Amino acid sequence: AQSVTQLGSHVSVSEGALVLLRCNYSSSVPPYLFWYVQYPNQGLQLLLKYTTGATLVKGINGFEAEFKKSETSFHLTKPSAHMSDAAEYFCAVSDQGGRRALTFGSGTRLQVQP
Amino acid sequence: NAGVMQNPRHLVRRRGQEARLRCSPMKGHSHVYWYRQLPEEGLKFMVYLQKENIIDESGMPKERFSAEFPKEGPSILRIQQVVRGDSAAYFCASSPGVSDTDTQYFGPGTRLTVL
Repeated sequence: AQSVTQLGSHVSVSEGALVLLRCNYSSSVPPYLFWYVQYPNQGLQLLLKYTTGATLVKGINGFEAEFKKSETSFHLTKPSAHMSDAAEYFCAVSDQGGRRALTFGSGTRLQVQP
Repeated sequence: NAGVMQNPRHLVRRRGQEARLRCSPMKGHSHVYWYRQLPEEGLKFMVYLQKENIIDESGMPKERFSAEFPKEGPSILRIQQVVRGDSAAYFCASSPGVSDTDTQYFGPGTRLTVL
């Protein structure tokens, strides 16, 4: 069975500061990993995904994440936060590829202070 | 290229009524997924469908819930005899169904309120 743990349901950073959102997963097979962002009353938008190959994945809006197998982690980072980054972020895992059910973490709400 | 369409965006039902949620996948996508998001929680998988075929319904409640994706028209998630605990946001996603590296693209969701 697969699962996702997102540490910190709420994260607050200052504008221009580093953003670090944590995600740990468990999977019995090499996982496919995803980060999605959700703005209020909207659907989810894909930020980035890891399938195979390079472990450092770059996404949209300046976000990136690194797959670390030894730590079973897929943390999301952005060097400099912008006010528009305030949203809810979800990490998801699939052990059967993108054509199967995704298992989501409980989400991290990012606040960006001016 | 239009994204995943869901309607209605908001739906209010009284206990015991039926709720029908519709999802039109992105053009060229033949796979549809339904997820439910309870307040302050992440999304939970419900069902995965291809045209005229249910692939995985392991997340569907055993009673009152059903889903279909007919040859023509949108995918439908049907909830019979709704109860207050069904109040949630229901999201549909679609993918091309071509590769294991497919991305699931999400619609804006239907927010169901049961009075």
